[in-house]
Amino acid sequence: NAGVTQTPKFRVLKTGQSMTLLCAQDMNHEYMYWYRQDPGMGLRLIHYSVGEGTTAKGEVPDGYNVSRLKKQNFLLGLESAAPSQTSVYFCASSYEGNGYTFGSGTRLTVV
Amino acid sequence: QQQVKQSPQSLIVQKGGISIINCAYENTAFDYFPWYQQFPGKGPALLIAIRPDVSEKKEGRFTISFNKSAKQFSLHIMDSQPGDSATYFCAAPPHGQNFVFGPGTRLSVLP
Repeated sequence: NAGVTQTPKFRVLKTGQSMTLLCAQDMNHEYMYWYRQDPGMGLRLIHYSVGEGTTAKGEVPDGYNVSRLKKQNFLLGLESAAPSQTSVYFCASSYEGNGYTFGSGTRLTVV
Repeated sequence: QQQVKQSPQSLIVQKGGISIINCAYENTAFDYFPWYQQFPGKGPALLIAIRPDVSEKKEGRFTISFNKSAKQFSLHIMDSQPGDSATYFCAAPPHGQNFVFGPGTRLSVLP
């Protein structure tokens, strides 16, 4: 039982490049989330989804897009990466919006 | 954005001592109060959670105490061990929606 799997684990982008982070969960959870974690700022919600085909903005959505075409997958896209998007990105899922299961993270550096 | 305040920012405890981390929230519509534990290079993992119909919940060496009137809940780690050294996050959901995480407490347990 893999839980929540994030790919890739590390990535270096040049300013202006685009990329997609993939999150996959095998727990049949309805809710999925994307957070970013920066030193001293805890975890901040970027976007979330309460079910297949639905997405919504979180606290810091600017510069990111998401898609939830399949229940088990939640994709986070950066259309034009900026140095301010250098961060560690975590995906999480939950059954009824309570206890979250997090992935192991993607460390992204934008140069 | 609803605030979740967490203290202290960092904590150093001797092996065998008691670690206490506090969390304060603003909104009163919460029904689930979790603590997450995060080791370096890993995603946060649910440690223990409480619902407001009880004032305390204990799981092994970890205890949550809940004070509804003060809008606070705390994590107590009894007989702290070096393996407990990690960053701890509390979280609360404003308006019953997505969780807002506290900024984290870095715990170091000295051998």
